[in-house]
Amino acid sequence: EAGVAQSPRYKIIEKRQSVAFWCNPISGHATLYWYQQILGQGPKLLIQFQNNGVVDDSQLPKDRFSAERLKGVDSTLKIQPAKLEDSAVYLCASSLEPGGLQPQHFGDGTRLSIL
Amino acid sequence: AQSVTQLGSHVSVSEGALVLLRCNYSSSVPPYLFWYVQYPNQGLQLLLKYTSAATLVKGINGFEAEFKKSETSFHLTKPSAHMSDAAEYFCAVSQNTGFQKLVFGTGTRLLVSP
Repeated sequence: EAGVAQSPRYKIIEKRQSVAFWCNPISGHATLYWYQQILGQGPKLLIQFQNNGVVDDSQLPKDRFSAERLKGVDSTLKIQPAKLEDSAVYLCASSLEPGGLQPQHFGDGTRLSIL
Repeated sequence: AQSVTQLGSHVSVSEGALVLLRCNYSSSVPPYLFWYVQYPNQGLQLLLKYTSAATLVKGINGFEAEFKKSETSFHLTKPSAHMSDAAEYFCAVSQNTGFQKLVFGTGTRLLVSP
């Protein structure tokens, strides 16, 4: 089966600019996750979707970050405006269903650098 | 709140030596525990998971981990390291109820020398 696809792989922008990331999960996976991984740290969950509904966005900085999953398939994560502290790898993952019994499959991530 | 602590940001072993990566967890409810591996410029891959069945869990690539409730530990081991094992390893915890959000540790980089 095809894995989780993310694009772009790399993005360099200046602070205060906007940026968007795209994720296409594994076919049939109802649950989609966006993580932020800052250098030297483990991934931190930003938002979790179940189909096209948000399950958990408690750690999403909503003043600048937004995400959507129209039609319950692929998803976009946007940052507007970007800050220096947003430099990180943004990982998308998907699973058949929510919950710890279902493994999460990760994409290769988008590495964002803010100048 | 749940958390995991990974002792040692870097672990160095020789090829063929025992690999031991340490993870201690904190959870107010029975946890699910996971080990993930991340190769450079790639996403995370699940190595193994503990979900309250057998306390000794076997995973891919010869890795295994033992859940010890009395020590709140879930250390990852492999009897004999291979050069291809060099990567970043993350321990993670989730609750077995509710949203079951994964909380990751800060990671341990495994270096394998010939």
